[in-house]
Amino acid sequence: SQTIHQWPATLVQPVGSPLSLECTVEGTSNPNLYWYRQAAGRGLQLLFYSVGIGQISSEVPQNLSASRPQDRQFILSSKKLLLSDSGFYLCAWSGFGTKSSTDTQYFGPGTRLTVL
Amino acid sequence: DQQVKQNSPSLSVQEGRISILNCDYTNSMFDYFLWYKKYPAEGPTFLISISSIKDKNEDGRFTVFLNKSAKHLSLHIVPSQPGDSAVYFCAASARQGGSEKLVFGKGTKLTVNP
Repeated sequence: SQTIHQWPATLVQPVGSPLSLECTVEGTSNPNLYWYRQAAGRGLQLLFYSVGIGQISSEVPQNLSASRPQDRQFILSSKKLLLSDSGFYLCAWSGFGTKSSTDTQYFGPGTRLTVL
Repeated sequence: DQQVKQNSPSLSVQEGRISILNCDYTNSMFDYFLWYKKYPAEGPTFLISISSIKDKNEDGRFTVFLNKSAKHLSLHIVPSQPGDSAVYFCAASARQGGSEKLVFGKGTKLTVNP
């Protein structure tokens, strides 16, 4: 079966500091990978998605970036965090290996980021 | 422009009764629809989906209905249980259009009272 991991679970960072959040998927190959953010009281905002190694599509302009160095690894980064970057960050995957459509996305447990 | 809308931010029902969560969409290219359930501080959990070639899909206590002409779908939970209390997100994608993305609504918070 497939599992998706995110770490860290919680993070408190000062404004201006760098950020690196990691997501890995097990049990599938060549998944589509996604980064979302849920701000307090808001819906899910798609930040980045990737259909393969080194292929990143950005949905919204911001001071965040994403990279996919390996097939099942997706990293969200920032060189300098802003207060507005606080939120709940979710990684998701879609693809083969489940009984549902390959378009169904499965989410990780999330990372709570607080920028002070 | 919000392509997927969940107009009710919250819903409260009594245990054992039916919960009906609604979702409207504007993009006629959408052909695959999903419902997710989310507890606080956790990732969303996939519940049920429906393709546009169907008008109903059922899985245990959960049934999703799709009305393509009205661009409307709904999730029915029968009977509702206190553990169903969570935020429910509707999502849609345009698979035939080659999109790899889901478009999410803003969610409806369901509270099931014992």
